[in-house]
Amino acid sequence: NAGVTQTPKFQVLKTGQSMTLQCAQDMNHNSMYWYRQDPGMGLRLIYYSASEGTTDKGEVPNGYNVSRLNKREFSLRLESAAPSQTSVYFCASSDQMNTEAFFGQGTRLTVV
Amino acid sequence: AQSVTQPDIHITVSEGASLELRCNYSYGATPYLFWYVQSPGQGLQLLLKYFSGDTLVQGIKGFEAEFKRSQSSFNLRKPSVHWSDAAEYFCAVGARDSNYQLIWGAGTKLIIKP
Repeated sequence: NAGVTQTPKFQVLKTGQSMTLQCAQDMNHNSMYWYRQDPGMGLRLIYYSASEGTTDKGEVPNGYNVSRLNKREFSLRLESAAPSQTSVYFCASSDQMNTEAFFGQGTRLTVV
Repeated sequence: AQSVTQPDIHITVSEGASLELRCNYSYGATPYLFWYVQSPGQGLQLLLKYFSGDTLVQGIKGFEAEFKRSQSSFNLRKPSVHWSDAAEYFCAVGARDSNYQLIWGAGTKLIIKP
């Protein structure tokens, strides 16, 4: 039972490079989320998708884009990475908005 | 403004001792309330949740939490901690409205003394 799967687990980027973080869930959930976690700041919502075909900005969307490819998959793209985007990124999903969320294992991203 | 406060950044407890982690919220609507735990290098796992009904909620791993509307609090408790409880704990608040996002506390890191 995989739950929420994120790839990659670790990534180092140079400033200005681009990359896409992948997320897939196998629980048939409607809602999916991307968070970043920084020390002392808890989780901050980057983007979310309340249902297939919709995406919305969260608290800290600048420098990111997302795609809800289908009901299972929700990707996060950094077009031009900056050192301020060094963080741990978590994907999560839930049956509906604001019900129990299930999290992936995270992607530790370092931008140098 | 909506907010969640976890006043303790770190808490140190001896193994076998009782634990209480505090969570206070400011929220206009009737809240959904959650506690999550994050072990080092791992994602977050739901410990328990409150949507309605009995204000004392039982969760996994022997944890419980009590919703006190008058105090805008949802404190997490455990009668006797184990070394394996060392982790970071997050409180989150949502609302019964599909447009609302979860608001997260900054977390409390629990350290267990042997």
